[in-house]
Amino acid sequence: QSVLTQPPSVSAAPGQKVTISCSGGSSNVARNYVSWYRQVPGTAPKLLIYDTYKRPSGLPHRFSGSQSGTSASLGITGLQPGDEAEYFCGTWDSTLNGWVFGGGTKLTVL
Amino acid sequence: EMQLVESGGGLVQPGRSLRLSCEASGFTFDDYGMQWVRRAPGKGLEWVSGIGWNGGSRGYADSVKGRFTISRDNANNQLYLEMNSLRPEDTALYHCAKVLDSGSYWDSSGLDQWGPGTLVTVSS
Repeated sequence: QSVLTQPPSVSAAPGQKVTISCSGGSSNVARNYVSWYRQVPGTAPKLLIYDTYKRPSGLPHRFSGSQSGTSASLGITGLQPGDEAEYFCGTWDSTLNGWVFGGGTKLTVL
Repeated sequence: EMQLVESGGGLVQPGRSLRLSCEASGFTFDDYGMQWVRRAPGKGLEWVSGIGWNGGSRGYADSVKGRFTISRDNANNQLYLEMNSLRPEDTALYHCAKVLDSGSYWDSSGLDQWGPGTLVTVSS
C-alpha cells in the first residue's frame, strides 16, 4: 500500500487533456515539493515535474504540475499516443524520513 | 550527458547477500545526494535508501533497515548498496537516482537522473 494515492489508470483520446491526482498528507505533499515521473516498465523513470510546478528544460509545455493542500496533480494536454506510460508522483515524507511514491497511474491514449 | 548505470544484480537464494553498484558520469558526483529506488513486479516505486554528498548522512526504508547498507566512493564516482539477509520480497528492479540540486538525500525537489536498473531475484 503506497503512502501516496494515485488512480490506477486514466484514459483519454488523442488531443484531449488528462489530469492525474496524487493524494497524500500533512507530512508529505502538504509540506514538501512534489515531483512527477514517467516510466515504461523495465526502463529508467524520467523526471517530468520538479519543485511541484517546474518543468525540466526541453519538456513540452503540455505537461504541468499543481498542488493544493494534501493533493497534487499532473496535467497533460494535447495527448499523443507516445504519452502512454505509467506516471508516478513522489516526495519526501518528513515523518517517515524517507521518499514516498504513489502506486502509479497507467495512461492509455485511446 | 549525465548517466547512471547499475550492475551487480542476479539470482540469489534467500538469506544470502548481494552488492549492487552504480557508476555515475557526466556530472560532479560528489556534489549530489543519491538514492536507491526499487520496483517489484506488479508494484510501484519504493524508496530503499539515500546518502548525502559525502556519505555522512544515510537513510533507509523500514523494510530494509538493518539488512542493507548504502555507501559511496566519490573518488571513483560509484554508489553501492550492500544487501544482506535477502528475502523473496526484495525481488525487484533496483534503480540508482541522483537528487536534482542538493547534496542532501532528503531534498524533495526531485530525482533528475535515473539508471535503467539492475534486476535482483531472491528465490530458492
